[in-house]
Amino acid sequence: EVQLVESGGGIVQPGGSLRLSCAASGFTFSSYWMHWVRQAPGKGLVWVSRINSDGSSTTYADSVKGRFTNSRDNAKNTLYLQMNSLRVEDTAIYYCARENIAARGVSLDYWGQGILVTVSS
Amino acid sequence: SYDLTQPPSVSVSPGQTASVTCSGDKLGDKYACWYQQKPGQSPVLVIYEDSKRPSGIPERFSGSNSGNTATLTISGTQAMDEADYYCQAWHSSTAGVFGTGTKVTVL
Repeated sequence: EVQLVESGGGIVQPGGSLRLSCAASGFTFSSYWMHWVRQAPGKGLVWVSRINSDGSSTTYADSVKGRFTNSRDNAKNTLYLQMNSLRVEDTAIYYCARENIAARGVSLDYWGQGILVTVSS
Repeated sequence: SYDLTQPPSVSVSPGQTASVTCSGDKLGDKYACWYQQKPGQSPVLVIYEDSKRPSGIPERFSGSNSGNTATLTISGTQAMDEADYYCQAWHSSTAGVFGTGTKVTVL
């Protein structure tokens, strides 16, 4: 069974840092591209970042570029999101998600349960 | 930037057909997918590659994509289909883009 479990969320002050982790199991993690998606309370889904299967290539939304770093450790089956210079508007539930390897285009076939990040003074 | 626009809400009677649209410039030139999200839950992929259904998704969910509009159709809508629905596409410069979301209400 495919499982994605996020951890590392919490409350942080504006300007602070936080690192999220996403532990993957039930599939060959090193074969899949992975994504982070966030959702502010009561709002819609917003794509954050994508990383390729070996971690050599990353893409970011403009809103987090230069502040967030997406990385992975394939030996540990774990995806990371390092978030620096956090802003109040980064407050959201953060999901990690697996990219559908069998599809043309980009679609996310498995999602974690999400982890809440609150940026507040 | 690249934007995908959805109607905020769609209402449907049980057993009837619900259609949710997703509009974006030349969206038909890209592959669109759709997610269902129920309150307090993570999104679930219901349509990928414009019209394909993942394993376990009921046949009443279908999709199409042409011109500037992708459409999710729920035939024979059931109460359990009440949820928020989001389209998504990948744009060369904006990367991952989600639609604005549509709340489907089964009356």
